[in-house]
Amino acid sequence: KAGVTQTPRYLIKTRGQQVTLSCSPISGHRSVSWYQQTPGQGLQFLFEYFSETQRNKGNFPGRFSGRQFSNSRSEMNVSTLELGDSALYLCASSLAVGGAPYEQYFGPGTRLTVT
Amino acid sequence: KQEVTQIPAALSVPEGENLVLNCSFTDSAIYNLQWFRQDPGKGLTSLLLIQSSQREQTSGRLNASLDKSSGRSTLYIAASQPGDSATYLCAAMDSNYQLIWGAGTKLIIKP
Repeated sequence: KAGVTQTPRYLIKTRGQQVTLSCSPISGHRSVSWYQQTPGQGLQFLFEYFSETQRNKGNFPGRFSGRQFSNSRSEMNVSTLELGDSALYLCASSLAVGGAPYEQYFGPGTRLTVT
Repeated sequence: KQEVTQIPAALSVPEGENLVLNCSFTDSAIYNLQWFRQDPGKGLTSLLLIQSSQREQTSGRLNASLDKSSGRSTLYIAASQPGDSATYLCAAMDSNYQLIWGAGTKLIIKP
């Protein structure tokens, strides 16, 4: 069974631009979560989607948004990029039996560098 | 607000030793607790998940325990090997299905 895939793996953008990251969950998984990892702040929760609905959102500004499609694939978008948005963005999928996330499986991440 | 702490931040031991990594959390109302490893520049690999109703889980040389009353989880690694060198992270899932992360323990196994 294929794992979680994220595209692109690496991305370089300049301040003020916007970026879209993509995540394809494991087949059959309906919950997708996004996390940001930086050396200073560690891992922080961005948001979680289940059946195309955002169920929870972390403490990030409105520049960070996402969506989930009917096939459970998810995208996250960051608008008006800032230098501090440079990070590894990780996507995780979960089977979500009965709607509750179970074990989370992570993709390899997208490393975003903002210059 | 849930906070997760991992001690020690770094650990270096000779190959073959048994070792324990610690994780503590401030709010016992967790849904589950999961242990991961992360190799440099890579994503996260799930090691063990313990549901809130469970006390421990085992996988090969790894054993994780959970004590909700004291807000603690431990990851026990038996007969450590150089390939175990990595950063180990624990994460507690709260009732909003959000993983709250520790800062990790960087483990180095010396051959």
